[in-house]
Amino acid sequence: AQSVTQPDIHITVSEGASLELRCNYSYGATPYLFWYVQSPGQGLQLLLKYFSGDTLVQGIKGFEAEFKRSQSSFNLRKPSVHWSDAAEYFCAVVSGGYQKVTFGTGTKLQVIP
Amino acid sequence: EPEVTQTPSHQVTQMGQEVILRCVPISNHLYFYWYRQILGQKVEFLVSFYNNEISEKSEIFDDQFSVERPDGSNFTLKIRSTKLEDSAMYFCASTISQGARVSFGYTFGSGTRLTVV
Repeated sequence: AQSVTQPDIHITVSEGASLELRCNYSYGATPYLFWYVQSPGQGLQLLLKYFSGDTLVQGIKGFEAEFKRSQSSFNLRKPSVHWSDAAEYFCAVVSGGYQKVTFGTGTKLQVIP
Repeated sequence: EPEVTQTPSHQVTQMGQEVILRCVPISNHLYFYWYRQILGQKVEFLVSFYNNEISEKSEIFDDQFSVERPDGSNFTLKIRSTKLEDSAMYFCASTISQGARVSFGYTFGSGTRLTVV
């Protein structure tokens, strides 16, 4: 069965610093991978997605992610974090004929001045 | 940009009562889903719905849950007899045909926070 692991539960970075959130997946076939962001009390907003092709994917809000098949990873990065990026970030994989989404446990990002 | 609309945004109900959570998916989408997020936990799949029937459901989706697309636009989740542990944020999502890969990817609603007291 497919699964997603986000090893970091909580990350704190200084505003302006770079960010990398880790995601590892387990899936037999070519995965469809996503990153979602959730602000407190809010819904899920899609940051970016990977289906195939270029392994470096650009998303909204200055985020990017790189798919590395050899490492089964899809890490999310941002070169310079803004205070408004404080939120919870979920990595997800889609599988199956009916496209069920399996989410990771999330990484809570805190941004300090 | 098209949106998935969920109502109400917050619902409080007494234990044992029935609740219906409502969703209006994006109009040309064909696959519909409910997910649940208990406070502080990850988002969990409940059920997928296609062609007017359940296509897949999780272990969470037991007999007290049901889904319906009553009128071609709304998509509802009914919980027959709510329990305290049903308190969670419930997300509706929809997506277009799996063949249309360019458009692939879910659109989630903003969620309904259900509080069972």
